[in-house]
Amino acid sequence: GESVGLHLPTLSVQEGDNSIINCAYSNSASDYFIWYKQESGKGPQFIIDIRSNMDKRQGQRVTVLLNKTVKHLSLQIAATQPGDSAVYFCAENRGGSNYKLTFGKGTLLTVNP
Amino acid sequence: AAGVIQSPRHLIKEKRETATLKCYPIPRHDTVYWYQQGPGQDPQFLISFYEKMQSDKGSIPDRFSAQQFSDYHSELNMSSLELGDSALYFCASSLVRASEAFFGQGTRLTVV
Repeated sequence: GESVGLHLPTLSVQEGDNSIINCAYSNSASDYFIWYKQESGKGPQFIIDIRSNMDKRQGQRVTVLLNKTVKHLSLQIAATQPGDSAVYFCAENRGGSNYKLTFGKGTLLTVNP
Repeated sequence: AAGVIQSPRHLIKEKRETATLKCYPIPRHDTVYWYQQGPGQDPQFLISFYEKMQSDKGSIPDRFSAQQFSDYHSELNMSSLELGDSALYFCASSLVRASEAFFGQGTRLTVV
């Protein structure tokens, strides 16, 4: 079935480097995308979102890029810090209920000091 | 600021027992969502409620039921528990018109 998935299951970076986490989605009807950060034993924490009428959105140290042509989503984290170490999920809302999110497989980001 | 409160945080049950998980949304939030997250898995949508009515349904087993009460808190009832039900169960709440939903800390259910 249609799903949201991630290219890389793990990513290891050095502190201070920029991180890029990628995500592919298959449902062209999806109109809203979110990146979540999940630390061990905790609930997903909202990082940034983007709607399908946008290509790019920036937050504090984070940028989400949306390429609808190839159904690709990425999360860029600038100057990665040890506190950024966590599992990152992309999720899509396929319309209908405002928040019936379909999550992709997580990427474990490890930041080395 | 108040967050989504889930109780209990941890629960251990035996096979074939029942369990009830509770979720208290952020004040004034009218929508509640339940997710199940198995070990090393992504969260799977179970069910959602808006204004005390079921608004959407995902991969929720027939052994599970849920409801939202007049004070907007929600309960997930799980019967005939199976070993495979062991997971983290998350609740999220939002204002239906808002983009962002906030997740609780989850309930870790272990079925033995």
